[in-house]
Amino acid sequence: AQSVTQLGSHVSVSEGALVLLRCNYSSSVPPYLFWYVQYPNQGLQLLLKYTSAATLVKGINGFEAEFKKSETSFHLTKPSAHMSDAAEYFCAVGAGNMLTFGGGTRLMVKP
Amino acid sequence: EAGVAQSPRYKIIEKRQSVAFWCNPISGHATLYWYQQILGQGPKLLIQFQNNGVVDDSQLPKDRFSAERLKGVDSTLKIQPAKLEDSAVYLCASSPHGTSGIFAQYFGPGTRLTVT
Repeated sequence: AQSVTQLGSHVSVSEGALVLLRCNYSSSVPPYLFWYVQYPNQGLQLLLKYTSAATLVKGINGFEAEFKKSETSFHLTKPSAHMSDAAEYFCAVGAGNMLTFGGGTRLMVKP
Repeated sequence: EAGVAQSPRYKIIEKRQSVAFWCNPISGHATLYWYQQILGQGPKLLIQFQNNGVVDDSQLPKDRFSAERLKGVDSTLKIQPAKLEDSAVYLCASSPHGTSGIFAQYFGPGTRLTVT
């Protein structure tokens, strides 16, 4: 069985500041991990995915995430926040072509 | 490449009425998913199709929800009769078929259902 915990339902940063969104997972098999972003009134868009290759994964829009097996974590980061990054972010763990999503973190960016 | 298409985008119905949602996946994607996303929560899988067969429908409330993918391409999700707690966004996603590993899922814009 798989599960995902996203710490912090809301995160607020200033424009230009570091973005850190936390994700911890539980999986009975080697996990595949994903980050998705959801803008208002839209579907989910894939940011990046980890599929057992490099532990540091680079995605779109300057985001990256690091897989840490010892910590069962897959935190999402971006060095400098932009106003357009304001959205809901979902971490998901996959197994057997099925995804289990976390509850989401709403990122707010202050000017 | 065209993305996942869904219609309608918004629907308002009264409780006990019926409603249907339509999804057309990305061309060539064998796997199709329907998710329910309640406000403030992550998506929850309702049903997964591989071509026109059901892979997993364990979380589908079968007393009121049904889904089909008759020709292995587009799909319809139906609720009959609707309850207030069915108010949510219904997301359709698709992914390519593979014999190993896992592929990312690509999501449509969703249908926002409000049951009054």
